[in-house]
Amino acid sequence: GAVVSQHPSRVICKSGTSVKIECRSLDFQATTMFWYRQFPKKSLMLMATSNEGSKATYEQGVEKDKFLINHASLTLSTLTVTSAHPEDSSFYICSARGTSGSFSYEQYFGPGTRLTVT
Amino acid sequence: KQEVTQIPAALSVPEGENLVLNCSFTDSAIYNLQWFRQDPGKGLTSLLLIQSSQREQTSGRLNASLDKSSGRSTLYIAASQPGDSATYLCAAQGNTPLVFGKGTRLSVIA
Repeated sequence: GAVVSQHPSRVICKSGTSVKIECRSLDFQATTMFWYRQFPKKSLMLMATSNEGSKATYEQGVEKDKFLINHASLTLSTLTVTSAHPEDSSFYICSARGTSGSFSYEQYFGPGTRLTVT
Repeated sequence: KQEVTQIPAALSVPEGENLVLNCSFTDSAIYNLQWFRQDPGKGLTSLLLIQSSQREQTSGRLNASLDKSSGRSTLYIAASQPGDSATYLCAAQGNTPLVFGKGTRLSVIA
């Protein structure tokens, strides 16, 4: 159990366009989802936390108008990178935490999405 | 604010050696501590999760220990193999989302 998927796994887009990344919890309900970003040879940095049905909480330095997060259901969260620029090129990883039982504390990670902005 | 530090940043060992990776965290009020493996360009693979009430967890050649009071965890890898080459990340979870260290990049030389 506890499988999290991300789509797409890789995306290349032109500067100025928007890209949407989906994160799904496949076999459990996720009250909370997290979005992390990882630059080459760096660690994962938390971008934002989203709770189902409410607005996301963004970490300091992360622009909420640029990185739009929607957590419309207990199994789906989306991250939209708006007006992407080359400096947004990174590895984006989502994580989901369950609502109860053995899934209630542990975070489960998706496989990541490699975004390249040209 | 939780901070997680991993030492060393990089490590190169000959095949067959036993090795220890170190992780320290500043806030001991954690629910659990996790060790992950990440291969280049790939996502995270969870290796071991130690609950705050536990002192160690074992999986195959891997053994992770946790000393909450001193804010330290170690990952012990026995009889290392070239396939163990990867970056190893530790992460602490308290009332906040998982906070990651910068990782230890391990190379096991055949």
